Amino acid sequence: SQKIEQNSEALNIQEGKTATLTCNYTNYSPAYLQWYRQDPGRGPVFLLLIRENEKEKRKERLKVTFDTTLKQSLFHITASQPADSATYLCALDEAAGNKLTFGGGTRVLVKP
Amino acid sequence: DAGVIQSPRHEVTEMGQEVTLRCKPISGHNSLFWYRQTMMRGLELLIYFNNNVPIDDSGMPEDRFSAKMPNASFSTLKIQPSEPRDSAVYFCASRLGPFSGNTIYFGEGSWLTVV
Repeated sequence: SQKIEQNSEALNIQEGKTATLTCNYTNYSPAYLQWYRQDPGRGPVFLLLIRENEKEKRKERLKVTFDTTLKQSLFHITASQPADSATYLCALDEAAGNKLTFGGGTRVLVKP
Repeated sequence: DAGVIQSPRHEVTEMGQEVTLRCKPISGHNSLFWYRQTMMRGLELLIYFNNNVPIDDSGMPEDRFSAKMPNASFSTLKIQPSEPRDSAVYFCASRLGPFSGNTIYFGEGSWLTVV
């Protein structure tokens, strides 16, 4: 069966450190992988997209890697700040069907 | 642009009542998605439309759920009759499609409580 797994346990991290989140998937062949941020009471907001033929993508303090052999993406927040506290969701975007399927999300709490 | 607009933001209804959730996608977007989010199951795709046509409704939990998109600027998700287990946040989202790789934009959600 198809699965998208993110660490369901909250990630507590000290301000200034790097937060690393994982997204593992099974029985998918995504053409793209996307990461979203969700704040309490709000809808998810797009952060980054990486294509299947890209290894790494950066945007300001965010970095995403994508390993189609391991079927895994890593999401890094460097120099983390309390304002980065939120839930982060990965989503698989398959080439066929225009369907975007989300993982369960990982909550990040950055402590000052 | 105003973004994806959903209504109502909050609804409390009694079991057995009909619930209708509404969505206005971003102008020009031709793919529309309905998701449901709960603590237990996360963000689940219920149904999506391309150019107003339902493409995949395999995520619709049962016949009590139905969705329509009569035109490019409006969609509804209906639950009839509603049950307490339908309590969740329902998100509508849209993107320029039907292409993979485009950003999907979410509304702020409709918070449904069935008592």
